[in-house]
Amino acid sequence: DGGITQSPKYLFRKEGQNVTLSCEQNLNHDAMYWYRQDPGQGLRLIYYSQIVNDFQKGDIAEGYSVSREKKESFPLTVTSAQKNPTAFYLCASSPPLWSGAEAFFGQGTRLTVV
Amino acid sequence: GQQLNQSPQSMFIQEGEDVSMNCTSSSIFNTWLWYKQDPGEGPVLLIALYKAGELTSNGRLTAQFGITRKDSFLNISASIPSDVGIYFCAGQGGSQGNLIFGKGTKLSVKP
Repeated sequence: DGGITQSPKYLFRKEGQNVTLSCEQNLNHDAMYWYRQDPGQGLRLIYYSQIVNDFQKGDIAEGYSVSREKKESFPLTVTSAQKNPTAFYLCASSPPLWSGAEAFFGQGTRLTVV
Repeated sequence: GQQLNQSPQSMFIQEGEDVSMNCTSSSIFNTWLWYKQDPGEGPVLLIALYKAGELTSNGRLTAQFGITRKDSFLNISASIPSDVGIYFCAGQGGSQGNLIFGKGTKLSVKP
């Protein structure tokens, strides 16, 4: 089945450690996105990528890094510089942004930093 | 940056009632999307709108793309308990072209 997969669903890390969240899609979508969700805050864009080897900062990119070496994969690293990393992280993908097509989401990763 | 104003922030309704929520923007969008999110899950696409004035239904859900291209609404008719969740609007078509989300409408349905 085609879809977008995030792993793991739950992740615990100690403060000061970097952690990488996985996002893989087999929908042949060009664009991929990472959002952060906090209670009552809606979805805030961290990074997005329209094509392989290219990505753009979103509204809250500080403390995060991404790579897009393959079309199917868009991993997000939460670095120790992120001051408040505990959150629900959502990955999405869509056909090219200019096409106006809809984005599909993964199931999310809940990161807890202790 | 661009912002979407989604209202109401939350709704508490009785089963069987109709629901209406909307999103407005200061900017023009080319696409409006409506999503539903269950607790602990990713948002699921409900309806996509591509043309100003477009009215689209998906079962008990109806959404419209405003004529000005700056607003959209979602109606749910005859609500049922499984309609509970957070509903998000999203617009696409700004200078960066990425999707912009509203803050969500949390729907609670009393049986």
